[in-house]
Amino acid sequence: KAGVTQTPRYLIKTRGQQVTLSCSPISGHRSVSWYQQTPGQGLQFLFEYFSETQRNKGNFPGRFSGRQFSNSRSEMNVSTLELGDSALYLCASSLSSTVGEQGTQYFGPGTRLTVL
Amino acid sequence: AQSVTQLGSHVSVSEGALVLLRCNYSSSVPPYLFWYVQYPNQGLQLLLKYTTGATLVKGINGFEAEFKKSETSFHLTKPSAHMSDAAEYFCAVRRNNAGNMLTFGGGTRLMVKP
Repeated sequence: KAGVTQTPRYLIKTRGQQVTLSCSPISGHRSVSWYQQTPGQGLQFLFEYFSETQRNKGNFPGRFSGRQFSNSRSEMNVSTLELGDSALYLCASSLSSTVGEQGTQYFGPGTRLTVL
Repeated sequence: AQSVTQLGSHVSVSEGALVLLRCNYSSSVPPYLFWYVQYPNQGLQLLLKYTTGATLVKGINGFEAEFKKSETSFHLTKPSAHMSDAAEYFCAVRRNNAGNMLTFGGGTRLMVKP
């Protein structure tokens, strides 16, 4: 079974621009979560989508948004980029959203975003 | 709010020596517990998890961890370190019925000396 895939793997943008990152979950997985990883703040939860609905949201500004499509693929959007948005953005998928074993998350390789 | 503390941001061991990476969590209710490993320029790979049942959990690559409720700990061990174990290790917790939000510790970078 193919793992979680994320595109693009690397991205360079300038301040003020917007960016869209894509995540394809493991086949059959319906939950997709996004995390931001930075040297200073570590790994932080952004949001989770399940069956096209946002189930949980972390403590990030409204510039960070996401969506999930009917095939469970997910996109994450960051508008009006700031230097501090430079990070590795990780996507994780799981079978379900809430129950024990089915909630175990499997991560993709990440998208490295650099904001200049 | 939950928190996860990993003692020691850097741990260095010799090849063949015991690996012990410490993780403590704060939670009034035992959560689900996970260890992930991250190699350079890669995502996170699940090493092992505790959800319910046996408190000693075996994972991949010879790693294991023991859930100790009384100590609110979930330390990761491996009897004999291998050069390929050099990576960053993250402990994470997830509350029951809290969706899939993982709270991560700060990570421990494991260095293995020949």
